[in-house]
Amino acid sequence: QKEVEQDPGPLSVPEGAIVSLNCTYSNSAFQYFMWYRQYSRKGPELLMYTYSSGNKEDGRFTAQVDKSSKYISLFIRDSQPSDSATYLCAMKGTGNQFYFGTGTSLTVIP
Amino acid sequence: GAGVSQSPRYKVAKRGQDVALRCDPISGHVSLFWYQQALGQGPEFLTYFQNEAQLDKSGLPSDRFFAERPEGSVSTLKIQRTQQEDSAVYLCASSFRNYGYTFGSGTRLTVV
Repeated sequence: QKEVEQDPGPLSVPEGAIVSLNCTYSNSAFQYFMWYRQYSRKGPELLMYTYSSGNKEDGRFTAQVDKSSKYISLFIRDSQPSDSATYLCAMKGTGNQFYFGTGTSLTVIP
Repeated sequence: GAGVSQSPRYKVAKRGQDVALRCDPISGHVSLFWYQQALGQGPEFLTYFQNEAQLDKSGLPSDRFFAERPEGSVSTLKIQRTQQEDSAVYLCASSFRNYGYTFGSGTRLTVV
């Protein structure tokens, strides 16, 4: 079993829709949770960073962490075609390395 | 520079050839990481530097992989006697504190 599980999709939504992306994990020591966006042939770009449980909002993006369920989510409101990309969740405990999900491919259709 | 710079962007190597991949982190970033991303997969950790010290190399897949950061800035990932399974995108990331990495665009290595 991988440390982090993420549905690879692909996910296709109409412009303006609310998008929900999710990851589950098995390591209860994870404390730092991130969402990255990766465009084709580019490196991952940090979108959201959360420490421990709770919600964090930044513009159209909301990140949620539920440590009791080992479940994290990213919500995108009023989705735009420019949001079309692969979204990677990542998490870290007290060690150095981050553990990534496989990524969910999202297409927002105009 | 403004971001993490990696070179070359693309590298085609014949099986058995040695390759060297370069990473220029953001100036002042203490932490530097190398990740390997296979097609359709998330990045997998290779190694971690704090300044010039390689503190974690547990992700290096074999002794053919070697990384260095001799002056605490530029880093090089070297792969000896490349194999087809080494084909992947190699990502470098740096951070000032140990969270929220900034990634480069990666080097896409194809071993033929």
